[in-house]
Amino acid sequence: DQQVKQNSPSLSVQEGRISILNCDYTNSMFDYFLWYKKYPAEGPTFLISISSIKDKNEDGRFTVFLNKSAKHLSLHIVPSQPGDSAVYFCAARAGGSYIPTFGRGTSLIVHP
Amino acid sequence: KAGVTQTPRYLIKTRGQQVTLSCSPISGHRSVSWYQQTPGQGLQFLFEYFSETQRNKGNFPGRFSGRQFSNSRSEMNVSTLELGDSALYLCASSPQRGGETQYFGPGTRLLVL
Repeated sequence: DQQVKQNSPSLSVQEGRISILNCDYTNSMFDYFLWYKKYPAEGPTFLISISSIKDKNEDGRFTVFLNKSAKHLSLHIVPSQPGDSAVYFCAARAGGSYIPTFGRGTSLIVHP
Repeated sequence: KAGVTQTPRYLIKTRGQQVTLSCSPISGHRSVSWYQQTPGQGLQFLFEYFSETQRNKGNFPGRFSGRQFSNSRSEMNVSTLELGDSALYLCASSPQRGGETQYFGPGTRLLVL
């Protein structure tokens, strides 16, 4: 029973365009959401997070949107760069829990 | 500041053997968590240690165990290896429990033949 779902295993985008990575969750107790980026042969690195009290958080080219009613969040990368090519993991935590539940990841390829 | 280090980086074992993986957290970090990453399942939580005590355990059989030492370094052990244990094992550290983020090591790639 997957509580955090990333339904697109891969995404291909042209350099300079917007990349939108999606994530759905089923557990209504989740109140904190994180995105990680992972390059081959490296561990995941934290990218951006959002609390359930917000619906948007922005950090440079990266923006995360949260739609609590739809139990959906998305990561927008604008503009996309070839160096953004990586696997992106969505993760969620429930209040009082220190352990994030991860999605299976979306592989983003940004073409020059 | 040095990042999270994991040793060994690659390991090949045969079914039935046991294996011990090591993780050295970032200096000053007291919380260490372990994850298993497989192509089909993504990242799955194994266990979390804080102050030498296991605080949380994921849904894995008892063949998977771990410990944390007084210097916060952690080891995980898998006994009676199965083919399905082939995976990337990731360790993550954070200063305290429930920190804003976890800092991941590069992982240990385990192949069970």
